[in-house]
Amino acid sequence: GENVEQHPSTLSVQEGDSAVIKCTYSDSASNYFPWYKQELGKRPQLIIDIRSNVGEKKDQRIAVTLNKTAKHFSLHITETQPEDSAVYFCAASRWGSQGNLIFGKGTKLSVKP
Amino acid sequence: EAQVTQNPRYLITVTGKKLTVTCSQNMNHEYMSWYRQDPGLGLRQIYYSMNVEVTDKGDVPEGYKVSRKEKRNFPLILESPSPNQTSLYFCASSTGLATGELFFGEGSRLTVL
Repeated sequence: GENVEQHPSTLSVQEGDSAVIKCTYSDSASNYFPWYKQELGKRPQLIIDIRSNVGEKKDQRIAVTLNKTAKHFSLHITETQPEDSAVYFCAASRWGSQGNLIFGKGTKLSVKP
Repeated sequence: EAQVTQNPRYLITVTGKKLTVTCSQNMNHEYMSWYRQDPGLGLRQIYYSMNVEVTDKGDVPEGYKVSRKEKRNFPLILESPSPNQTSLYFCASSTGLATGELFFGEGSRLTVL
């Protein structure tokens, strides 16, 4: 089955710096890669996703890149702000087969003012 | 308001005392799933359901049961809870095929003594 590795487990940056979180997956048939943000005490919420027919997707200060050959995808946050502090989870699945959305173990991002 | 509702939000129980965590969604979603969240382990899928009367095991199904008699409800049953089931539980739903976004409930924190 699918296995998703996520690094780093914790990340601390200064406000205004960029943050990068990386994930690798094992199942070459996976074609859908979402990222979820979980603020302290809250539920996870989708912030961005990418499908395997594109290599990069941006939404304001966040972007996700995908390298299918290397089975690797990353979340990039630019101009970080204190409200970006949260736990971020990557995930992978086969599109149309929602049953097997496998999450990474999460990255705790701290943005220091 | 579109939402996924879980109950109870907090529960302390004792080993062996059967309990049910209810989950209900009002978005007419076909797909529903249960996850448990433990420190350092991320979100692990317990069971999922692609539609009414269709359920399947996730990564950590041992000690849990589910049922999907109605589209809106997906209860999680712990027949004989044990301390290793102490965790934060999330129910989630999505349309399943048209979009990958999972909508999570607020979570249920369960402690088994």
